[in-house]
Amino acid sequence: AQSVTQPDIHITVSEGASLELRCNYSYGATPYLFWYVQSPGQGLQLLLKYFSGDTLVQGIKGFEAEFKRSQSSFNLRKPSVHWSDAAEYFCAVGPGGATNKLIFGTGTLLAVQP
Amino acid sequence: GAGVSQTPSNKVTEKGKYVELRCDPISGHTALYWYRQSLGQGPEFLIYFQGTGAADDSGLPNDRFFAVRPEGSVSTLKIQRTERGDSAVYLCASSSQGVGDYTFGSGTRLTVV
Repeated sequence: AQSVTQPDIHITVSEGASLELRCNYSYGATPYLFWYVQSPGQGLQLLLKYFSGDTLVQGIKGFEAEFKRSQSSFNLRKPSVHWSDAAEYFCAVGPGGATNKLIFGTGTLLAVQP
Repeated sequence: GAGVSQTPSNKVTEKGKYVELRCDPISGHTALYWYRQSLGQGPEFLIYFQGTGAADDSGLPNDRFFAVRPEGSVSTLKIQRTERGDSAVYLCASSSQGVGDYTFGSGTRLTVV
């Protein structure tokens, strides 16, 4: 069965520091991979997605993610975190097929220290 | 509208009551999804509409849950005989194309007391 694991429930970084959020997936073929961000009281917003091709994907707000097939990972990175990046981040895998439904991880809550 | 609208934003109901949650997708989006997000969890898929029909309802937890989209636009998620375990944020998303290219609404927080 498809699944997504986000090992870090909560991460705190200092403003200006680099960030890496981990995501591991289990899927039989090459999946569609996504990162979403959820701010308090807001809906989920798509940061970036990987379908095929270049394994380094650029997204909005200065985020990027790298697909590593050998490690079944799709980690999210940002070189310099801003206070406004504090939010919850969800990795998701899309099995595709007829329904396009997504399977989400449990999320990583990011706190940013001044 | 400019985004996906969900009403109400908050709903408190008594155990055993019936509730309806509404989703107004982006105009022209043919695909509509309902997800449920419990505290400390990621969203879990409930049901997917393509147009008026439910193309995949495999995520509905039991027969107390039902959803409709009669005109291919607005959708209503209906929960009968609510239980405390139904308390969660119910998210709606719509898409015009592509896997995962959703626009999510802000959700309806349902509390069953």
